[in-house]
Amino acid sequence: DTGVSQDPRHKITKRGQNVTFRCDPISEHNRLYWYRQTLGQGPEFLTYFQNEAQLEKSRLLSDRFSAERPKGSFSTLEIQRTEQGDSAMYLCASSRTGIYEQFFGPGTRLTVL
Amino acid sequence: AQRVTQPEKLLSVFKGAPVELKCNYSYSGSPELFWYVQYSRQRLQLLLRHISRESIKGFTADLNKGETSFHLKKPFAQEEDSAMYYCALCPYNFNKFYFGSGTKLNVKP
Repeated sequence: DTGVSQDPRHKITKRGQNVTFRCDPISEHNRLYWYRQTLGQGPEFLTYFQNEAQLEKSRLLSDRFSAERPKGSFSTLEIQRTEQGDSAMYLCASSRTGIYEQFFGPGTRLTVL
Repeated sequence: AQRVTQPEKLLSVFKGAPVELKCNYSYSGSPELFWYVQYSRQRLQLLLRHISRESIKGFTADLNKGETSFHLKKPFAQEEDSAMYYCALCPYNFNKFYFGSGTKLNVKP
């Protein structure tokens, strides 16, 4: 499968713990996006990378959230001191510059107990 | 501020009936609008975009700037069309999508 992949697919954690998710984009895509989707809602934009540079962050991305894309390939999203309100599906997408279509991964479902 | 509204959470129709999934948006500039679809146990995928003016799987959508709408239509629904449909708006710089809350289409036999 040459599409966007995400790991893990499911994560259950206790409140206060840190979690890290990984996203591997389609290999030739230089743009990478993170979205969060809660039950009954559409995906909400969190942050966006062009190559290794993080160019935009949503106000949804509190200080407990950090994202990296160190070599312009895979990306990680870390949530520190998780809260129950962080429970959601975290989606990654990638695209090429100038191309509208974003290709989505399967998502990581986070449950904070 | 950008906003995408899909007023129907669930739309149920019988096979062969026409379908219209509503999408309204608010955006100060000239938007790029898209429909994404998510079939059961699959990932989000692009269905169509207004700039291409194409028909995919029998679906079409016309951008109406006067009514700020981008409704998705299909004249004869099929059971395999059952899925979640999301309308999305992309600002001019293509840096992100703003999604609506989605409409679940259920096509009954």
